[in-house]
Amino acid sequence: GAVVSQHPSWVICKSGTSVKIECRSLDFQATTMFWYRQFPKQSLMLMATSNEGSKATYEQGVEKDKFLINHASLTLSTLTVTSAHPEDSSFYICSARTVSFGYTFGSGTRLTVV
Amino acid sequence: AQRVTQPEKLLSVFKGAPVELKCNYSYSGSPELFWYVQYSRQRLQLLLRHISRESIKGFTADLNKGETSFHLKKPFAQEEDSAMYYCALSPNSGNTPLVFGKGTRLSVIA
Repeated sequence: GAVVSQHPSWVICKSGTSVKIECRSLDFQATTMFWYRQFPKQSLMLMATSNEGSKATYEQGVEKDKFLINHASLTLSTLTVTSAHPEDSSFYICSARTVSFGYTFGSGTRLTVV
Repeated sequence: AQRVTQPEKLLSVFKGAPVELKCNYSYSGSPELFWYVQYSRQRLQLLLRHISRESIKGFTADLNKGETSFHLKKPFAQEEDSAMYYCALSPNSGNTPLVFGKGTRLSVIA
């Protein structure tokens, strides 16, 4: 139980374009979704916390206009990287907390901006 | 502020040898501690949480509040244990994000 489905698993985009990453909770309702970023050989860094029906809370140093988060329903949260640049290339992971199973993670999205 | 420290970036051990991955934390309250494992090209998986006090794949971890540590141990390493291991802390039982350590890559040599 408590599966988070994340898509796409990898994406290559041109510099200046936008990319949307989706995370769906398949068998539970996720009122809160956490979005992390992981650079190669580094740990997960929290980017923002999205709450269903309200604005996301961004960590210090994360540009909210660049990383748009939408959490319109209890089963879907999206992260849109707008006007992507090569320095945005990274591994993005979503996570939710459940009562029974603790934290669960999406499989991640590897974004490469060329 | 909450902080999780994993002092070793890489730990190499021979198959059959004991393994200890160190984790120290900094938090003023009573945190919940976790160990996650990430195998090559796979998603993060929960290995242990301190409140459950169970052993998974032969790994155990004991929360030592005096030393603020949550070291991960296994008496006999297997090749399939080679992976990235992350220690993580949750500040309380509410809906708050995990704070991760930088991770330790375990390499088990045959």
